[in-house]
Amino acid sequence: QQQVKQSPQSLIVQKGGISIINCAYENTAFDYFPWYQQFPGKGPALLIAIRPDVSEKKEGRFTISFNKSAKQFSLHIMDSQPGDSATYFCAACGGSNYKLTFGKGTLLTVNP
Amino acid sequence: KAGVTQTPRYLIKTRGQQVTLSCSPISGHRSVSWYQQTPGQGLQFLFEYFSETQRNKGNFPGRFSGRQFSNSRSEMNVSTLELGDSALYLCASSLEVSGTSYNEQFFGPGTRLTVL
Repeated sequence: QQQVKQSPQSLIVQKGGISIINCAYENTAFDYFPWYQQFPGKGPALLIAIRPDVSEKKEGRFTISFNKSAKQFSLHIMDSQPGDSATYFCAACGGSNYKLTFGKGTLLTVNP
Repeated sequence: KAGVTQTPRYLIKTRGQQVTLSCSPISGHRSVSWYQQTPGQGLQFLFEYFSETQRNKGNFPGRFSGRQFSNSRSEMNVSTLELGDSALYLCASSLEVSGTSYNEQFFGPGTRLTVL
């Protein structure tokens, strides 16, 4: 059972455009939703995270939108740059355990 | 402050062998988690250790085991290797903060295991 569904699998955006990646979850016990960025040959790095008590969180060009009733959250990358080309993973955690449940990832390519 | 370090970075083994991977968490972090990353299954949780005790376990066979030492360093072991065990094994550490249900996890670069 895939508890966190991520789409799209891949995304191509022009430089300066907006990249949008969506995730949906099933487990209502989840209460922490981070996004990770991974470059080839590197481990995932935390980009931004949100808790369900807020509907939006912005850090620089990165924004998380959260819809608790729909059990969905999304990452928006404004003014996308070629350096943003990477694989992005949404994740969720909560309840009594400490494990991260990841989406399958989105390969973002930003063309110059 | 140094990040999470994992050794070795690359490993090649043959079927039936066993392997031990090592992880040194960020100084002061007492929780260490292990994940397996493959193209097909993505990132999957293996187990999590805190103060030398396994606190959580994912859905992996008993061939996958781990331990944590008093200095918070952790090792994971895979016995009787299978071709399907080829993957990037990632370690993540976090600073335990009481009163919160989740603590930010910092990942290491991973160990790339190839089973022939």
